[in-house]
Amino acid sequence: DAGVIQSPRHEVTEMGQEVTLRCKPISGHNSLFWYRQTMMRGLELLIYFNNNVPIDDSGMPEDRFSAKMPNASFSTLKIQPSEPRDSAVYFCASSLEAGGNQPQHFGDGTRLSIL
Amino acid sequence: AQSVTQPDIHITVSEGASLELRCNYSYGATPYLFWYVQSPGQGLQLLLKYFSGDTLVQGIKGFEAEFKRSQSSFNLRKPSVHWSDAAEYFCAVGSDSGNTPLVFGKGTRLSVIA
Repeated sequence: DAGVIQSPRHEVTEMGQEVTLRCKPISGHNSLFWYRQTMMRGLELLIYFNNNVPIDDSGMPEDRFSAKMPNASFSTLKIQPSEPRDSAVYFCASSLEAGGNQPQHFGDGTRLSIL
Repeated sequence: AQSVTQPDIHITVSEGASLELRCNYSYGATPYLFWYVQSPGQGLQLLLKYFSGDTLVQGIKGFEAEFKRSQSSFNLRKPSVHWSDAAEYFCAVGSDSGNTPLVFGKGTRLSVIA
């Protein structure tokens, strides 16, 4: 079975540019999570969806960050405008349900570098 | 709300030696507990999970973990470490309540020396 698929794997862009990260969850999973990982702050939950509806976006750092899930098989995380401090690895994960009784399955991440 | 603590930021063990990574959780009811491993450049991979029943759970790659309610712990063990086990390990705790997702610890980095 295909796991969580993220694209691109690497992104290098200049500050001020718009960045769009993409995620395809595991088929049949109803919940999707976006995380950011840095050396300084570790793994941070940014936002999560259940049945395509955003449930909690309190982890989104600023209004420059936005996330959408237009259908059950696709989600995007957008940063506009990007800043050097946004450089991090961004992970998408999916699970059968959003609750803590379900394991999350992670993609391989997008390594984002903002110059 | 649940929380999880991994007291050790970095551990170094010799290849072939035994390993124990500590995880302590805080949650009022019976928790759902998970261990994940993250190899360099990759995402988190589920090693094992505890939901109920036998408190000693077996996972992939020869790992096991033991749930001890009295100590609020869920330590990860491996009898003989291989160089390929060098990675970051994350403990996570979940609850039964609806849409509350897993809470992850800050991770323990494992180095393996010859």
